[in-house]
Amino acid sequence: DVKVTQSSRYLVKRTGEKVFLECVQDMDHENMFWYRQDPGLGLRLIYFSYDVKMKEKGDIPEGYSVSREKKERFSLILESASTNQTSMYLCASSRAPGELFFGEGSRLTVL
Amino acid sequence: RKEVEQDPGPFNVPEGATVAFNCTYSNSASQSFFWYRQDCRKEPKLLMSVYSSGNEDGRFTAQLNRASQYISLLIRDSKLSDSATYLCVVNGAAGNKLTFGGGTRVLVKP
Repeated sequence: DVKVTQSSRYLVKRTGEKVFLECVQDMDHENMFWYRQDPGLGLRLIYFSYDVKMKEKGDIPEGYSVSREKKERFSLILESASTNQTSMYLCASSRAPGELFFGEGSRLTVL
Repeated sequence: RKEVEQDPGPFNVPEGATVAFNCTYSNSASQSFFWYRQDCRKEPKLLMSVYSSGNEDGRFTAQLNRASQYISLLIRDSKLSDSATYLCVVNGAAGNKLTFGGGTRVLVKP
Protein backbone atom coordinates (compact mmCIF):
# COMPACT_ATOMS: atom_id res chain seq x y z
CA ASP A 1 0.00 0.00 0.00
CA VAL A 2 1.06 3.54 -0.70
CA LYS A 3 2.00 5.41 2.39
CA VAL A 4 2.14 9.17 2.60
CA THR A 5 3.47 10.40 5.91
CA GLN A 6 3.11 13.93 7.20
CA SER A 7 5.54 14.82 9.94
CA SER A 8 3.19 16.61 12.33
CA ARG A 9 -0.48 15.90 12.98
CA TYR A 10 -1.05 19.00 15.12
CA LEU A 11 0.92 22.22 15.35
CA VAL A 12 0.34 25.47 17.19
CA LYS A 13 2.43 28.44 16.06
CA ARG A 14 2.49 32.17 16.67
CA THR A 15 1.95 34.85 14.06
CA GLY A 16 5.18 35.58 12.21
CA GLU A 17 6.82 32.24 12.93
CA LYS A 18 8.30 30.15 10.13
CA VAL A 19 6.54 26.82 9.72
CA PHE A 20 7.77 23.67 7.95
CA LEU A 21 5.39 20.89 7.01
CA GLU A 22 7.10 17.76 5.80
CA CYS A 23 5.63 15.04 3.61
CA VAL A 24 7.23 11.75 2.56
CA GLN A 25 5.85 9.09 0.22
CA ASP A 26 7.20 5.59 -0.24
CA MET A 27 5.85 4.58 -3.67
CA ASP A 28 8.24 6.41 -5.99
CA HIS A 29 5.47 8.69 -7.31
CA GLU A 30 6.57 11.57 -9.50
CA ASN A 31 3.67 13.83 -8.56
CA MET A 32 3.18 15.43 -5.17
CA PHE A 33 0.70 18.03 -3.99
CA TRP A 34 -0.10 20.28 -1.07
CA TYR A 35 -3.73 21.18 -0.35
CA ARG A 36 -5.47 23.03 2.43
CA GLN A 37 -8.98 22.15 3.51
CA ASP A 38 -11.30 24.61 5.20
CA PRO A 39 -14.98 24.31 6.12
CA GLY A 40 -17.17 25.64 3.32
CA LEU A 41 -14.22 26.05 0.95
CA GLY A 42 -13.28 22.43 0.32
CA LEU A 43 -9.82 21.39 -0.79
CA ARG A 44 -7.72 24.03 -2.48
CA LEU A 45 -4.42 23.37 -4.21
CA ILE A 46 -1.47 25.35 -2.87
CA TYR A 47 1.49 23.95 -4.84
CA PHE A 48 2.37 20.83 -6.73
CA SER A 49 5.45 19.17 -8.17
CA TYR A 50 5.88 16.76 -11.06
CA ASP A 51 9.57 16.12 -10.53
CA VAL A 52 12.51 16.72 -8.24
CA LYS A 53 13.39 20.41 -7.94
CA MET A 54 10.30 21.29 -9.93
CA LYS A 55 7.32 23.20 -8.51
CA GLU A 56 4.19 24.79 -9.86
CA LYS A 57 1.78 27.20 -8.21
CA GLY A 58 -1.69 25.99 -7.50
CA ASP A 59 -4.76 28.09 -6.85
CA ILE A 60 -3.67 29.74 -3.59
CA PRO A 61 0.16 29.92 -3.43
CA GLU A 62 0.38 33.32 -1.70
CA GLY A 63 2.16 33.11 1.63
CA TYR A 64 3.57 29.64 0.92
CA SER A 65 6.63 28.13 -0.70
CA VAL A 66 7.68 24.53 -1.31
CA SER A 67 10.80 22.45 -1.66
CA ARG A 68 11.37 19.16 -3.45
CA GLU A 69 15.01 18.18 -3.14
CA LYS A 70 14.32 14.45 -3.25
CA LYS A 71 11.65 12.52 -5.11
CA GLU A 72 10.04 11.14 -1.99
CA ARG A 73 9.89 14.37 0.00
CA PHE A 74 7.81 17.49 -0.57
CA SER A 75 7.91 20.26 2.02
CA LEU A 76 5.53 23.16 2.51
CA ILE A 77 6.93 26.32 4.08
CA LEU A 78 5.07 29.22 5.62
CA GLU A 79 7.70 31.95 5.78
CA SER A 80 5.73 34.10 8.22
CA ALA A 81 2.62 32.41 9.53
CA SER A 82 -0.59 34.41 9.77
CA THR A 83 -3.89 33.62 11.47
CA ASN A 84 -5.63 33.12 8.12
CA GLN A 85 -3.31 30.18 7.50
CA THR A 86 -4.94 28.24 10.31
CA SER A 87 -6.17 25.18 8.45
CA MET A 88 -5.88 21.47 7.76
CA TYR A 89 -2.99 20.83 5.37
CA LEU A 90 -3.06 17.69 3.27
CA CYS A 91 -0.18 16.30 1.26
CA ALA A 92 -0.82 13.84 -1.57
CA SER A 93 1.13 11.86 -4.13
CA SER A 94 0.04 10.21 -7.35
CA ARG A 95 1.28 8.32 -10.38
CA ALA A 96 -1.84 8.80 -12.49
CA PRO A 97 -3.97 11.96 -12.82
CA GLY A 98 -6.83 12.00 -10.34
CA GLU A 99 -5.66 9.03 -8.30
CA LEU A 100 -4.31 10.75 -5.22
CA PHE A 101 -3.03 9.17 -2.05
CA PHE A 102 -3.30 11.54 0.89
CA GLY A 103 -1.42 11.76 4.13
CA GLU A 104 -3.34 11.99 7.39
CA GLY A 105 -3.13 15.75 7.42
CA SER A 106 -1.48 18.40 9.56
CA ARG A 107 -3.81 20.64 11.53
CA LEU A 108 -2.11 23.99 11.98
CA THR A 109 -3.33 26.66 14.37
CA VAL A 110 -1.73 30.10 14.15
CA LEU A 111 -2.31 32.30 17.19
CA ARG B 1 -20.70 29.47 -11.03
CA LYS B 2 -18.37 27.03 -9.34
CA GLU B 3 -16.40 24.70 -11.58
CA VAL B 4 -17.51 21.63 -9.64
CA GLU B 5 -20.64 21.67 -7.50
CA GLN B 6 -22.18 19.24 -5.07
CA ASP B 7 -25.22 19.32 -2.81
CA PRO B 8 -23.63 19.53 0.66
CA GLY B 9 -26.43 17.47 2.26
CA PRO B 10 -26.64 15.88 4.71
CA PHE B 11 -28.47 13.00 3.10
CA ASN B 12 -30.06 11.09 5.96
CA VAL B 13 -30.42 7.48 4.84
CA PRO B 14 -32.02 4.55 6.67
CA GLU B 15 -29.76 1.56 6.92
CA GLY B 16 -30.38 -0.76 3.98
CA ALA B 17 -31.79 1.96 1.74
CA THR B 18 -30.40 3.29 -1.53
CA VAL B 19 -29.04 6.81 -1.86
CA ALA B 20 -27.85 8.66 -4.93
CA PHE B 21 -26.39 12.08 -5.45
CA ASN B 22 -24.83 14.07 -8.26
CA CYS B 23 -21.94 16.34 -8.98
CA THR B 24 -22.10 18.91 -11.77
CA TYR B 25 -19.15 20.39 -13.62
CA SER B 26 -19.06 23.47 -15.79
CA ASN B 27 -16.26 22.75 -18.26
CA SER B 28 -17.37 20.46 -21.07
CA ALA B 29 -13.71 19.72 -21.85
CA SER B 30 -13.19 17.99 -18.50
CA GLN B 31 -11.37 14.75 -19.05
CA SER B 32 -11.68 12.38 -16.13
CA PHE B 33 -13.75 12.03 -13.02
CA PHE B 34 -13.42 10.45 -9.60
CA TRP B 35 -15.27 9.90 -6.34
CA TYR B 36 -13.40 10.16 -3.05
CA ARG B 37 -14.65 9.33 0.41
CA GLN B 38 -13.65 11.32 3.49
CA ASP B 39 -14.49 10.17 6.98
CA CYS B 40 -14.77 12.71 9.77
CA ARG B 41 -11.34 14.10 10.69
CA LYS B 42 -9.61 11.77 8.23
CA GLU B 43 -7.95 12.21 4.88
CA PRO B 44 -9.82 11.71 1.57
CA LYS B 45 -9.45 8.28 -0.02
CA LEU B 46 -10.12 7.31 -3.61
CA LEU B 47 -13.40 5.42 -3.83
CA MET B 48 -13.64 4.91 -7.58
CA SER B 49 -12.88 6.36 -10.96
CA VAL B 50 -15.85 7.19 -13.20
CA TYR B 51 -15.71 5.80 -16.72
CA SER B 52 -17.80 6.87 -19.70
CA SER B 53 -19.60 3.54 -19.66
CA GLY B 54 -20.29 3.76 -15.95
CA ASN B 55 -18.78 1.42 -13.42
CA GLU B 56 -19.77 -0.59 -10.41
CA ASP B 57 -17.82 -1.70 -7.37
CA GLY B 58 -19.89 -3.81 -5.04
CA ARG B 59 -22.71 -1.66 -3.68
CA PHE B 60 -21.38 1.48 -5.35
CA THR B 61 -22.25 2.56 -8.88
CA ALA B 62 -20.81 5.61 -10.60
CA GLN B 63 -22.13 7.11 -13.81
CA LEU B 64 -21.07 9.90 -16.13
CA ASN B 65 -23.48 12.01 -18.16
CA ARG B 66 -21.40 14.16 -20.50
CA ALA B 67 -24.40 15.72 -22.22
CA SER B 68 -25.72 17.16 -18.96
CA GLN B 69 -22.27 17.51 -17.42
CA TYR B 70 -22.68 15.60 -14.21
CA ILE B 71 -21.48 12.46 -12.52
CA SER B 72 -23.46 10.46 -10.01
CA LEU B 73 -22.81 8.02 -7.20
CA LEU B 74 -25.36 5.48 -6.05
CA ILE B 75 -24.98 3.45 -2.88
CA ARG B 76 -27.19 0.37 -2.50
CA ASP B 77 -28.00 -1.42 0.74
CA SER B 78 -26.45 1.40 2.80
CA LYS B 79 -24.37 0.42 5.82
CA LEU B 80 -23.70 2.51 8.91
CA SER B 81 -20.06 2.54 7.83
CA ASP B 82 -21.01 4.34 4.61
CA SER B 83 -21.54 7.52 6.64
CA ALA B 84 -18.97 9.93 5.27
CA THR B 85 -18.49 12.91 3.01
CA TYR B 86 -18.23 12.01 -0.66
CA LEU B 87 -16.04 14.29 -2.75
CA CYS B 88 -16.35 14.63 -6.48
CA VAL B 89 -13.09 15.31 -8.32
CA VAL B 90 -12.83 16.47 -11.91
CA ASN B 91 -9.65 16.53 -13.98
CA GLY B 92 -9.61 19.38 -16.46
CA ALA B 93 -12.49 21.39 -14.99
CA ALA B 94 -10.16 24.38 -14.77
CA GLY B 95 -7.12 23.92 -16.93
CA ASN B 96 -5.04 20.81 -16.68
CA LYS B 97 -5.54 20.13 -12.99
CA LEU B 98 -7.87 18.55 -10.50
CA THR B 99 -10.79 20.40 -9.00
CA PHE B 100 -12.56 19.13 -5.90
CA GLY B 101 -16.23 19.60 -5.20
CA GLY B 102 -17.26 20.73 -1.75
CA GLY B 103 -18.51 17.26 -0.83
CA THR B 104 -21.85 15.61 -0.07
CA ARG B 105 -22.35 14.42 3.47
CA VAL B 106 -24.18 11.10 3.91
CA LEU B 107 -25.47 9.90 7.29
CA VAL B 108 -26.71 6.35 7.46
CA LYS B 109 -28.93 5.73 10.47
CA PRO B 110 -30.18 2.51 12.06
